[in-house]
Amino acid sequence: DTGVSQNPRHKITKRGQNVTFRCDPISEHNRLYWYRQTLGQGPEFLTYFQNEAQLEKSRLLSDRFSAERPKGSFSTLEIQRTEQGDSAMYLCASSSWTGYSYEQYFGPGTRLTVT
Amino acid sequence: AQSVTQPDIHITVSEGASLELRCNYSYGATPYLFWYVQSPGQGLQLLLKYFSGDTLVQGIKGFEAEFKRSQSSFNLRKPSVHWSDAAEYFCAVAVNDYKLSFGAGTTVTVRA
Repeated sequence: DTGVSQNPRHKITKRGQNVTFRCDPISEHNRLYWYRQTLGQGPEFLTYFQNEAQLEKSRLLSDRFSAERPKGSFSTLEIQRTEQGDSAMYLCASSSWTGYSYEQYFGPGTRLTVT
Repeated sequence: AQSVTQPDIHITVSEGASLELRCNYSYGATPYLFWYVQSPGQGLQLLLKYFSGDTLVQGIKGFEAEFKRSQSSFNLRKPSVHWSDAAEYFCAVAVNDYKLSFGAGTTVTVRA
């Protein structure tokens, strides 16, 4: 068990550019989650996948954001036409959903800075 | 709506002293509660969780938390802090089976 990994760890981009982040969950976990964390706040839920299906999207996830999890393994989060307000830490988590296990295991995050 | 409040933004404690971090939740049913710790540049690490049963739960790194339904609280404690406990601590409640709602966090500074 190598834990959840995220790449890149840091990304600096100019406003209007597109960025893509990758998350590799713990290998046997069937659920994968994306959260966003701004300075001084706790993480906020963005979306989640069960296997390859995206089952829920927060209203925080504007149409500039898209997430995928092809083949139910790694996931990507793309932000198009970035804005300064997108600057945040993007956290990925995974879990093994068995019907009663609610804990989620988080990766180190990708810190995005939009200039 | 389910929510979590951490009343203390920042706590400073001396090394070797005890630590208590407060967490209050708003939830209609029996909550599933968690404490996570985030060190600088790191992701969130699960310290402990409460689902049901014994209201005093033990976690990693010598932490424990007590669930008090009457006070809607889930406070985190450690009898003797180490310098490595300096971090940000988040209390969270499971809103449903896929979404965690986090408090704003408490930053802990440990002085020598």
